[in-house]
Amino acid sequence: EAGVTQFPSHSVIEKGQTVTLRCDPISGHDNLYWYRRVMGKEIKFLLHFVKESKQDESGMPNNRFLAERTGGTYSTLKVQPAELEDSGVYFCASSIRGYEQYFGPGTRLTVT
Amino acid sequence: AQKVTQAQTEISVVEKEDVTLDCVYETRDTTYYLFWYKQPPSGELVFLIRRNSFDEQNEISGRYSWNFQKSTSSFNFTITASQVVDSAVYFCALSGLETSGSRLTFGEGTQLTVNP
Repeated sequence: EAGVTQFPSHSVIEKGQTVTLRCDPISGHDNLYWYRRVMGKEIKFLLHFVKESKQDESGMPNNRFLAERTGGTYSTLKVQPAELEDSGVYFCASSIRGYEQYFGPGTRLTVT
Repeated sequence: AQKVTQAQTEISVVEKEDVTLDCVYETRDTTYYLFWYKQPPSGELVFLIRRNSFDEQNEISGRYSWNFQKSTSSFNFTITASQVVDSAVYFCALSGLETSGSRLTFGEGTQLTVNP
C-alpha cells in the first residue's frame, strides 16, 4: 500500500511569488492534516480536512495560506504571496480515525 | 492550552548504550493520546507508538520501551542497546480529544546520534 506522498520535495522561490504544495493521502483515509516545522522548532498544526470539508483550520497563520481538498482526495496548500518566514518543512498526514496519523516525507520550502 | 516539552535538544551515545528520551506534557483534557514519532535522515515522520490517557501500562517493543506516568505528566522513551540506525530526530506528541480533537501538538524534537 502506498504511503502519503508529497510534491515537490523541495521548492525554492523568491519572496512575493506563489507556491502550491500537493499531498496525496493514503487511499481510503478521510482525514488529512497539514503541519509545518519552521526553523528547527516544533512541528505545528495548520489544518485538518475530513473528506473535502475543513474540520479545523485554527492553525493557519494568515490569509496568504489557502488549502483545498477537491473531491476528498488529494489536497493542495497554496502560499500567495510567500514571505521569508514561510520557509520550513510542510508535512501532510492522513488517517482513518484520526488517532494514528501517517505522515508524508514533507516539502522543504525555501523563500529567498 | 496544550504543550509538549522535550528538554533534550541533542543526545549523543555510543552504539550499544541505552538511551532515554524525555517527554513532559501539559493538558487539561482528561482523555488524551500520547505519541512518539521518528524522523530519520530521509525526512518522513514514522509512527512509533500511541498511548491513551487511561492506560498507564508500560510497553516494550523489541529494543524500544515507553514509560507513561500520569503523576508526573511524562511519557519517556528508552532505546536499549542503541544502534547506528537509531540515529534520527524523535518527536513526542499529544492530542487532547476534548479541546483539540485529533490534531497533534508536538515537542521540539530530540536529535539522537548513535556513534559506532
